[in-house]
Amino acid sequence: RKEVEQDPGPFNVPEGATVAFNCTYSNSASQSFFWYRQDCRKEPKLLMSVYSSGNEDGRFTAQLNRASQYISLLIRDSKLSDSATYLCVVNIGQAGTALIFGKGTTLSVSS
Amino acid sequence: DAGVIQSPRHEVTEMGQEVTLRCKPISGHNSLFWYRQTMMRGLELLIYFNNNVPIDDSGMPEDRFSAKMPNASFSTLKIQPSEPRDSAVYFCASRLQTNTEAFFGQGTRLTVV
Repeated sequence: RKEVEQDPGPFNVPEGATVAFNCTYSNSASQSFFWYRQDCRKEPKLLMSVYSSGNEDGRFTAQLNRASQYISLLIRDSKLSDSATYLCVVNIGQAGTALIFGKGTTLSVSS
Repeated sequence: DAGVIQSPRHEVTEMGQEVTLRCKPISGHNSLFWYRQTMMRGLELLIYFNNNVPIDDSGMPEDRFSAKMPNASFSTLKIQPSEPRDSAVYFCASRLQTNTEAFFGQGTRLTVV
């Protein structure tokens, strides 16, 4: 089983839609979690951290379910500029030091 | 701060040649990561350092790959000899401490012909 798994998509949605991405991880000792965004031919950039209690940043909401080893990202009111690849990231390994990335989920928002 | 700086941005080399990729992490960050990204395999962690010490190099594909971090402000990833299947984008990232987010450089796009 891969350490971090995501549905690769692509997700094709119209502007204004709500879309949700899911991610599962295999290491129950994982301590911290993130969502990154990567635009075509660019480096990944942090979108938001994922906290145990769930957290929201504008149109974006992240949830963590430790029991099911599952992370989600919800995007409301999608914009054209949200089109990108969204990467789920889990901190694992010796003393929680390795950052492991999922393969990413591609989102395309159309007008 | 200028962020994580990688060089070169692009490298085209012939099979069998030695390739050296360079990275300058953000000042004060104590962890450094090297990743390789391809369409097929996504972002693969090759090796990471804490306080200049290699912690886990199990992601390094084979002995042709080696990485060093001689000091807190510089790291190299070397491929010798290079092969066409090494063609990918290589990213370096650094972070302040465990459990915080990592910041990426702009990557080196390597093409081995």
